Amino acid sequence: DIQMTQSPSSLSASVGDRVTITCQASQDISNFLNWYQQKPGKAPKLLIYDASNLETGVPSRFSGSRSGTDFTFTISSLQPEDIATYYCQHYDNFPPVTFGQGTRLEIK
Amino acid sequence: EVQLLDSGGGFVQPGGSLRLSCAASGFTFSNYAMSWVRQAPGKGLEWVSAVSGGSGTTYYADSVKGRFTISRDNSKNTLYLQMNTLRVEDTAVYYCAKATDSVSRIGDFDYWGQGTLVTVSS
Repeated sequence: DIQMTQSPSSLSASVGDRVTITCQASQDISNFLNWYQQKPGKAPKLLIYDASNLETGVPSRFSGSRSGTDFTFTISSLQPEDIATYYCQHYDNFPPVTFGQGTRLEIK
Repeated sequence: EVQLLDSGGGFVQPGGSLRLSCAASGFTFSNYAMSWVRQAPGKGLEWVSAVSGGSGTTYYADSVKGRFTISRDNSKNTLYLQMNTLRVEDTAVYYCAKATDSVSRIGDFDYWGQGTLVTVSS
């Protein structure tokens, strides 16, 4: 099975900061990677699909990119409402699909 | 507007059974694969099972294979998960998730239900 290694596991940043989260796949998954945001007590919400495409209605401060098997999720200017846990997820070579371990983002 | 409404969770003893439901609306249900994804308390996300659109081919994580059965009723726009021989480690919030396609992107999820809590304890 393909493994996704996500880092960091937690992150503290100030409003207005640029925030970066990374995921590394254990093998080539092309662009078959999503990024989700999960707020406490809520379901995950799709933010980025196919590694770099912004889901409709999602603010443009969120972005994603790929370099080989390394994937990066960026918030260009952190807002208070962005406090959440973020997950990467691959969907290549189904089944199964696997999620990264999650990154808990807090306001400093 | 796509809506997924999960239900059926509850408290059950080890070895017991439970059936979860996910009522879908706002899209042509039969045209899309559907999955169940769970999240143990304070933990990350784990894919559990999927059913394709069309033929309804089913898929399971090794951790639930032989104990859980996924099914869909396209006439009722409803997804099910029959959970038998439940274990303490099955305790989690269970989410249904809609795929972006019928068969080629089964694990690509764009909408999720609100989740239903299953607690397995003696």
